[in-house]
Amino acid sequence: RKEVEQDPGPFNVPEGATVAFNCTYSNSASQSFFWYRQDCRKEPKLLMSVYSSGNEDGRFTAQLNRASQYISLLIRDSKLSDSATYLCVVRGVGGYSTLTFGKGTMLLVSP
Amino acid sequence: NAGVTQTPKFQVLKTGQSMTLQCAQDMNHNSMYWYRQDPGMGLRLIYYSASEGTTDKGEVPNGYNVSRLNKREFSLRLESAAPSQTSVYFCASSETQGNSNQPQHFGDGTRLSIL
Repeated sequence: RKEVEQDPGPFNVPEGATVAFNCTYSNSASQSFFWYRQDCRKEPKLLMSVYSSGNEDGRFTAQLNRASQYISLLIRDSKLSDSATYLCVVRGVGGYSTLTFGKGTMLLVSP
Repeated sequence: NAGVTQTPKFQVLKTGQSMTLQCAQDMNHNSMYWYRQDPGMGLRLIYYSASEGTTDKGEVPNGYNVSRLNKREFSLRLESAAPSQTSVYFCASSETQGNSNQPQHFGDGTRLSIL
């Protein structure tokens, strides 16, 4: 099982739609979770951290399910500007743990 | 507000040539990282520096060397470039590992082609 797995997509949705992405991780002891956004040929940018209780930032909601080892990202009222690749990122445990990036899920929002 | 700055942004090399990719951050972060990103592979960690004076190998260190010159600067060197090193290289930085929820901030990348 790969460390961090995502459906590569693309997810094609119309403006205003609600879309959700899931991501699974293999290390049950992983401590920190993030969603990053990456536009074509640009650097990844932090979208939001994912907390155990779930968290919301405007139209974006992130959830963590430790029992099933997955995190999710929900985008409501999609905008054209939401078109991007969304990277699931997991930090391990112990000592100095580095980040493991998923390969990303591509979202295309159309008019 | 510069954040993480990488130079150069684009470079074409011939096989066997050497070059150094530069990275500097102005956020007073302790930790810095070098990644490469290839189509279908996602971001892979090459080397990282947890703090000034230390460096460690990541997932794909072969063919690369790094130098943590000071707290601000972390360079990546290709001693003898190979076509397999054609990639987009990202530098990143973060607060020290004390708070595990600290994210990484990325530079805008160096697009490197090896002919």
